[in-house]
Amino acid sequence: IAGITQAPTSQILAAGRRMTLRCTQDMRHNAMYWYRQDLGLGLRLIHYSNTAGTTGKGEVPDGYSVSRANTDDFPLTLASAVPSQTSVYFCASSLSAGANVLTFGAGSRLTVL
Amino acid sequence: GQNIDQPTEMTATEGAIVQINCTYQTSGFNGLFWYQQHAGEAPTFLSYNVLDGLEEKGRFSSFLSRSKGYSYLLLKELQMKDSASYLCAVTDSNYQLIWGAGTKLIIKP
Repeated sequence: IAGITQAPTSQILAAGRRMTLRCTQDMRHNAMYWYRQDLGLGLRLIHYSNTAGTTGKGEVPDGYSVSRANTDDFPLTLASAVPSQTSVYFCASSLSAGANVLTFGAGSRLTVL
Repeated sequence: GQNIDQPTEMTATEGAIVQINCTYQTSGFNGLFWYQQHAGEAPTFLSYNVLDGLEEKGRFSSFLSRSKGYSYLLLKELQMKDSASYLCAVTDSNYQLIWGAGTKLIIKP
């Protein structure tokens, strides 16, 4: 089934631990994104990649890193998790950067204690 | 700064019509999107407006006025499954998406 797969679905993590959220798409989309969604706030862009091999910082990049070694995969790493990173994380992709429709993964719910 | 405003919550009755408004102030404009998000699920695309006017797609319609920085999503013949959050998002001059906080729509029988 074409789409975006995120893992894990849910995770509880101790503060200070390192965590990688995985994201894989099979639609051959060039652009990929990581968002966090918190109650009462709009989706906030963490990092993005317009094409394989390139990445950029979004609105809230501090404490997060990404890589885009190939078209399909776009992992998000929290080097040393803090409680304020408790959130729901959505990976998304679009055919290309710009005014394109986003396809979202099912989300990863992360709790940092 | 860039800002998108939409009501936090709305309630409507099954079978009725509801209009969800969105106003925006952004650096440039390259299109406005509406997404639907059911509780605990991912957002899914509903509509896209880049020119002024009404776009109709089945029971859902979306309107845009660029001069007023205003859009609305119109849902007709409401069904219980329409209970969800509706997210308004604008693409600015740098083609970055700016998201509203979403409107939670509650449908009552």
